Amino acid sequence: GAGVSQSPRYKVAKRGQDVALRCDPISGHVSLFWYQQALGQGPEFLTYFQNEAQLDKSGLPSDRFFAERPEGSVSTLKIQRTQQEDSAVYLCASSPGGVTGELFFGEGSRLTVL
Amino acid sequence: GQQVMQIPQYQHVQEGEDFTTYCNSSTTLSNIQWYKQRPGGHPVFLIQLVKSGEVKKQKRLTFQFGEAKKNSSLHITATQTTDVGTYFCAGWGDSSYKLIFGSGTRLLVRP
Repeated sequence: GAGVSQSPRYKVAKRGQDVALRCDPISGHVSLFWYQQALGQGPEFLTYFQNEAQLDKSGLPSDRFFAERPEGSVSTLKIQRTQQEDSAVYLCASSPGGVTGELFFGEGSRLTVL
Repeated sequence: GQQVMQIPQYQHVQEGEDFTTYCNSSTTLSNIQWYKQRPGGHPVFLIQLVKSGEVKKQKRLTFQFGEAKKNSSLHITATQTTDVGTYFCAGWGDSSYKLIFGSGTRLLVRP
């Protein structure tokens, strides 16, 4: 069966460029999360969607980061004017219901900013 | 804000030895989850504990949730090379949409 799909798997950007990372959650999953994982660290929460509503964006590190899920399925994480400290793996996860359930993670998008 | 800490950061064991990782939260958790991440992979759900003092077993893995619901542990009996990876605990707060992950314990197993 189809799991959580993320694209691109790898992205190299020059400092100052804008990037967009896509997440296709498991069909029918209500909840969608974005996490940032630096090398050797645990995933850091960025934002949470319940259907199309962004209920928590407290983890977004700056106003250069923006996420949307306009139709309650596919989500996009956009990073404007990328900086070297943005280099990390960006993980998307979905879960069937509201919060507190098991999270199903995608393979992640590895962003390298030169 | 809520913090979830894990120790040790690394554990290198001989195959067949036991392994334990400990997780502590700065606040009471409504429940706790454990995930495993293989090198180069993504986190994969192992288990969720909800009740105070709960103990669950999955084959050689034993998970415990503390009485105060602020700490948890994962114990692996007789490690195998397939157990290699990083083990993360993750906790939900009582009023939050965030699942906060610990820093993880990386397990290396010598064959």
